[in-house]
Parts: sequence; C-alpha cells; structure tokens
Amino acid sequence: KAGVTQTPRYLIKTRGQQVTLSCSPISGHRSVSWYQQTPGQGLQFLFEYFSETQRNKGNFPGRFSGRQFSNSRSEMNVSTLELGDSALYLCASSPTGGYTEAFFGQGTRLTVV
Amino acid sequence: AQSVAQPEDQVNVAEGNPLTVKCTYSVSGNPYLFWYVQYPNRGLQFLLKYITGDNLVKGSYGFEAEFNKSQTSFHLKKPSALVSDSALYFCAVRGAWGGKLQFGAGTQVVVTP
Repeated sequence: KAGVTQTPRYLIKTRGQQVTLSCSPISGHRSVSWYQQTPGQGLQFLFEYFSETQRNKGNFPGRFSGRQFSNSRSEMNVSTLELGDSALYLCASSPTGGYTEAFFGQGTRLTVV
Repeated sequence: AQSVAQPEDQVNVAEGNPLTVKCTYSVSGNPYLFWYVQYPNRGLQFLLKYITGDNLVKGSYGFEAEFNKSQTSFHLKKPSALVSDSALYFCAVRGAWGGKLQFGAGTQVVVTP
C-alpha cells in the first residue's frame, strides 16, 4: 500500500508570493491533517479535513487555507508569504481520525526568502 | 483543552542500556495516546498507540509504552537501545471525541556506541 505522498519535497519562495502544497493520502483514508513544524514552535496543527469538509482548525491566520477533494487528496495554500512561514509542512492521513493513528508524509520543506 | 508535556529535551543513553522517554498528558475524558519517531528531514513514523485495555502497549522496533491513568503518563520504553534509535520522539494525545492530534515538544534521543 502506498504511503502518504507530499509534493513538492522542497520549495523556495519569495516573501509576498503564494504557494500551494499537495498531499495524497493512503488509499481509503478519509481524514487528512496538516501540521507546520519549526524548530521554535514544534509541531503545530493547521487543519483537518474529512470527506471534503474542514473538521478542525488550528490557530493560524487566514492566509493559511486548505481543501480536500472527492478522492481525499488535499491541498493547502499560503498566501502573502512571510519569512516566518519557512517550515516543514507535514500532511497526515488516517481512516477516520479519532482513535486511529495518523500516517505522515515526508513533508514539504518551504523556505521563504 | 488538551496538552502534552515531554519534560526532557534530550535523553542520552549508551547502546544496550534501557531507554525511557517521558510523557505526561492532560485531556478531558479518556485519552487516545500515540508515540511517533522522526529521523532528520523525514516525516513522523508511528510507533504505537494506547486506546483502551492493557496498560502496557507494544509497538514497532521493540518499543513499548506504559499507560498510567493516575499519573496521566505514557512513557516510552525500550529494554536495549540501539545506535539507530537516535532520533526525535514525539508523544501525542487526542481526546476521545476526536479533534486535533496534540503533540509534545519532542525529545531528542542520542544513543552512543
């Protein structure tokens, strides 16, 4: 069974630009979550989608948005990039959330210059 | 609100010695508890989880964890550490009603030959 796939793996953007990251979950998984990982803040929850609906949201500004498609693939978008958005963005999928464990992709390393 | 504390930033252990990584949690109701490991520039790998039942949970790569409800702890253990166990370990909790997976700050494990 293929794992969680995130594309691209590495990305360099300029401040003020926008970026879209993609996540393909494990086949059959309907819950997709996104996390931001930085050395200073650790792992912070961005949002969770389940069956195309945002089910939970973290404390991030509106510049961070996401969506989930009918095939469970998910994208997250960051508009008006700031230097502080430089981070490893991790996507995780699970069958339903709840008591089921989440499986993580290898992440997208975003660098904002 | 739910929270996780990993009191040690780093744990140093000699190869062959027992390894313990500490985790305490706070959540309303019964918790779902998870341990993950992260190698450099990689995503998180699931190690084990506690949902209900036996307090001692066995997971991947020889790791186990002990759930202690009265102490609200979920410490990760390995009887004999390997150099290859050197990595960043995260404890996470999710409330029984679902919601986001709340991670601790992580503990760096260094196993010396």
